[in-house]
Amino acid sequence: AQKITQTQPGMFVQEKEAVTLDCTYDTSDPSYGLFWYKQPSSGEMIFLIYQGSYDQQNATEGRYSLNFQKARKSANLVISASQLGDSAMYFCAMREGWSNYQLIWGAGTKLIIKP
Amino acid sequence: DVKVTQSSRYLVKRTGEKVFLECVQDMDHENMFWYRQDPGLGLRLIYFSYDVKMKEKGDIPEGYSVSREKKERFSLILESASTNQTSMYLCASSISSGPPNEQFFGPGTRLTVL
Repeated sequence: AQKITQTQPGMFVQEKEAVTLDCTYDTSDPSYGLFWYKQPSSGEMIFLIYQGSYDQQNATEGRYSLNFQKARKSANLVISASQLGDSAMYFCAMREGWSNYQLIWGAGTKLIIKP
Repeated sequence: DVKVTQSSRYLVKRTGEKVFLECVQDMDHENMFWYRQDPGLGLRLIYFSYDVKMKEKGDIPEGYSVSREKKERFSLILESASTNQTSMYLCASSISSGPPNEQFFGPGTRLTVL
């Protein structure tokens, strides 16, 4: 079974609109962390935002926020006021357990911002 | 800022050649990782290392080996390159303490095996 599912292979969004990228996860470990990364066409993976399973509040980093719904096992990335530079691949990833160094990755969503 | 560098951005090799991909990080991170990335499959872990000379297999170690003789350097070796190893290879590093201990990535090496 997929542990990280990103159901949107591609999305087109008008510039300045808000974007929600979906991520659902599957784990039986009560301690886990969820990550979002951005990969522009240049190839380098850029860390965007992190949410721990015990965090009470949704994580925010500038224009990025994470809509964490624990009971539904979803961790959607919200980008407010999208910009042309937001066009990229976006990956959701999970770490199960605090001592586990490995990340489990989703297949990614390709986001294209239209001017 | 954390800097992770990879020896080549693009590499073209022939089937059967021995290929070395080098990765260096400058932030004294304990953990280092090698991934391969293929369209629609996300990132798949090949090997990781949590200390010098220590290594653990990831999800797809077949056809690959690694070496970590110094803390800052982690090498991926393709013993006998095959066409199905044509891919993007990404190196990453992270600290051991945390969370979040996010992984920091290099720019990637796009390897083509002919």
